Amino acid sequence: DIQMTQSSSSLSASVGDRVTITCRASQSISPYLNWYQQKPGKAPKLLIYTASSLQSGVPSRFSGSGSGTDFTLTISSLQPEDFATYYCQQSYTTPYTFGQGTKLEI
Amino acid sequence: EVQLVESGGGLVQPGGSLRLSCAASGFTFSTYWMYWVRQAPGKGLVWLSRIHSDGSVINYADSVKGRFTISRDNAKNTLYLQMNSLRAEDTAVYYCARSPSTRYFDYWGQGTLVTVSS
Repeated sequence: DIQMTQSSSSLSASVGDRVTITCRASQSISPYLNWYQQKPGKAPKLLIYTASSLQSGVPSRFSGSGSGTDFTLTISSLQPEDFATYYCQQSYTTPYTFGQGTKLEI
Repeated sequence: EVQLVESGGGLVQPGGSLRLSCAASGFTFSTYWMYWVRQAPGKGLVWLSRIHSDGSVINYADSVKGRFTISRDNAKNTLYLQMNSLRAEDTAVYYCARSPSTRYFDYWGQGTLVTVSS
């Protein structure tokens, strides 16, 4: 199975900050990397698919980049509603493994 | 409006069985790959299984292969997960999800909690 590793399990930031969350795969998975946001008690929400495509309805302050094994989710200016847990997921091959999550805290 | 509504969760003893359902509406169910993902309490997301739009292709995670069976009824717009030989480590919220391309999940259900305990 492909292992997905997010560099931080938690991250502290403030409203207005620019934040970067990184994810590394155990092998090349380009471009099949997705990012999800999850708030407590809620289902995950798709933010970015195939590394850099913004899902419809997701604010443009979210962006994704990367290739090969290294990928990044960037939030350009943190809003109060962005404090949540973020997961990367590879969809290069089944099982479509997730990273362990990065909890973004105030 | 796209909706996915899971049901069938609950408390079950180790070794027992449970069947989860995921009722779909607001889209043409028969044209989408469908998935099951679970999340143990306080833990991360784990991909479990997927099924092609017509049921012709099915894949499982090793952790559930041979114990869980995914299926679908396109006439009823419903996805299923039959879970047998349940273990304590299967305790989790189970989500169904839709994939427009097989590569990402654009809609998720609200989840149903399965608790395996004596």
